[in-house]
Amino acid sequence: DGGITQSPKYLFRKEGQNVTLSCEQNLNHDAMYWYRQDPGQGLRLIYYSQIVNDFQKGDIAEGYSVSREKKESFPLTVTSAQKNPTAFYLCASSRSGTGGREKLFFGSGTQLSVL
Amino acid sequence: GENVEQHPSTLSVQEGDSAVIKCTYSDSASNYFPWYKQELGKGPQLIIDIRSNVGEKKDQRIAVTLNKTAKHFSLHITETQPEDSAVYFCAALTLSGGSYIPTFGRGTSLIVHP
Repeated sequence: DGGITQSPKYLFRKEGQNVTLSCEQNLNHDAMYWYRQDPGQGLRLIYYSQIVNDFQKGDIAEGYSVSREKKESFPLTVTSAQKNPTAFYLCASSRSGTGGREKLFFGSGTQLSVL
Repeated sequence: GENVEQHPSTLSVQEGDSAVIKCTYSDSASNYFPWYKQELGKGPQLIIDIRSNVGEKKDQRIAVTLNKTAKHFSLHITETQPEDSAVYFCAALTLSGGSYIPTFGRGTSLIVHP
């Protein structure tokens, strides 16, 4: 089955530690996105990538980093510079070409908590 | 940039009643308006969408209306069922430089009481 897989489902971070959230898709989508979800805050864009080896900052990129070395993969690293990392993180992807770029497909999310 | 306001933040209805969620947007260049449903512990799923050249779209018990002049759009759910209980997000998208970057509302928690 095609879809987006996020792992792990739950992740715990210690003070001063970097952690990496995995996102893999087998939908052959060009574009991928990372969102952060806090209660009552909706979905806020962290980073997005329209093509391999290229990505852009979203609204809340500080304290996060990404890479896009393969079309299928878009990992997100939460660095120690992110002082309030506890949140639900969602990865999404979308097709390229007309009539499909605007429809996002989401993974099941990763809940990150600070120990 | 785009700003999307969504109301109400919480909506409680009895099974069989209708539910309406409203969103407003600020960027007149926005031309695509999707609605997503998020169940507990899961990622959002697209349930219905509307483009700026259409005023209304319906899919069984759900419908979306768009008023471009007033820059607002609404989700209507009729004959609500307990399985409709979830968080609903609206979004507005503008095509810029070949990219569609959505701006989401803050979400509405819909509770349907049996």
